[in-house]
Amino acid sequence: NAGVMQNPRHLVRRRGQEARLRCSPMKGHSHVYWYRQLPEEGLKFMVYLQKENIIDESGMPKERFSAEFPKEGPSILRIQQVVRGDSAAYFCASSPTRQGVYEQYFGPGTRLTVT
Amino acid sequence: GENVEQHPSTLSVQEGDSAVIKCTYSDSASNYFPWYKQELGKGPQLIIDIRSNVGEKKDQRIAVTLNKTAKHFSLHITETQPEDSAVYFCAASSSYGKLTFGQGTILTVHP
Repeated sequence: NAGVMQNPRHLVRRRGQEARLRCSPMKGHSHVYWYRQLPEEGLKFMVYLQKENIIDESGMPKERFSAEFPKEGPSILRIQQVVRGDSAAYFCASSPTRQGVYEQYFGPGTRLTVT
Repeated sequence: GENVEQHPSTLSVQEGDSAVIKCTYSDSASNYFPWYKQELGKGPQLIIDIRSNVGEKKDQRIAVTLNKTAKHFSLHITETQPEDSAVYFCAASSSYGKLTFGQGTILTVHP
């Protein structure tokens, strides 16, 4: 059973460009979470999605950031007009669909560098 | 919102010794407390978790204790090995699984 997959693993963007980060959850998981980890810091929640629904985006900046989890295909975290402060590791986690089961399994992350 | 404090920030032990990492949380509604191990360049790996209806849970050399009254929980690693060296994160969740993480503890196990 493959784990959570993220790609690309490393992404370099110039200031003002767009970054697209992809996440495929574990088989049988329909809950996806995105977290951001700044250097030397812990992980910060950004957004929680289920298929075709954004459940909680309270941790996501109001501008330039968006996320989706379509019926088919991976979840996408999109950052428009990137700035140097967006440089971080972005992790996706997935969770089983069963009610009351909260375990989250993380992918290897995408390390975004903005030059 | 929830706030999780983790101590110590760094911990150095000799191989075979025990290691203890402590966390406190602020939201009394929190009911799920996982611990993650993160190695350099990798994603966090779930190593053990505990729910609020349980006071202690053990899995081989790893144990977690929870004190709901005091709002703190701890990770205990016995008979440490060099491969236990990593960054450890505690977290807390009060609802559908949105996790609030502690700041992390860098554990170094010296051979």
